[in-house]
Amino acid sequence: DIQMTQSPSSVSASVGDRVTITCRASQGISRWLAWYQQKPGKAPKLLIYDAFSLQSGVPSRFSGSGSGTDFTLTISSLQPEDCAVYYCQHYASFPITFGGGTKVEIK
Amino acid sequence: EVQLLESGGGLVQPGGSLRLSCAASGFIFSNYAMTWVRQAPGKGLEWVSVISDSGGNTYYADSVKGRFTISRDNSKNTLYLQMNSLRAEDTAVYYCAEDGRSKVVGSGNYGWFEPWGQGTLVTVSS
Repeated sequence: DIQMTQSPSSVSASVGDRVTITCRASQGISRWLAWYQQKPGKAPKLLIYDAFSLQSGVPSRFSGSGSGTDFTLTISSLQPEDCAVYYCQHYASFPITFGGGTKVEIK
Repeated sequence: EVQLLESGGGLVQPGGSLRLSCAASGFIFSNYAMTWVRQAPGKGLEWVSVISDSGGNTYYADSVKGRFTISRDNSKNTLYLQMNSLRAEDTAVYYCAEDGRSKVVGSGNYGWFEPWGQGTLVTVSS
């Protein structure tokens, strides 16, 4: 199975700051990676697919990059509504697995 | 508007069974793969199972293989998850979701999930 490791597990930043979350796959997954945002009590919401494709309706301050084993999700200018837990997910093969999550808070 | 509505969750004893349903509307259900993802209380997301658009292909996480069965009724626009031999560690909110990659790339492709239902809570406890 492919293991997905996210870092950091939590980050606290100020409004307007640039925030970067990293996701590392235990083996190469090409660009078969998605990012999700989950707010408390809500279902996850897709942000990015195929490593860097922005889902329709998602603000452009969110961006994804990477290929192979190392990926990043960047929030270019953190907004209060971005407080949430972020998950990466690979779909290179079965079983599909998620990263452990990164909690983003406002300082 | 695409809507996914899960039902069937509840309290069940260890070793018991439960069947979850996910009613879909707002899209051509039979055209896309569908998936179940769960989230234990206070924990992260865990993929459970996926089924192809026709229902002919299914895949499972090792943690549920042999105990859970995913199925669909395209005439009723409904996805199911039959859960048998339930364990305490199966306690979670169960979400159904549309497989976005099957929508973009076509049948036989599996990938990201969007949209998701609101989830249904399954509690396995004596």
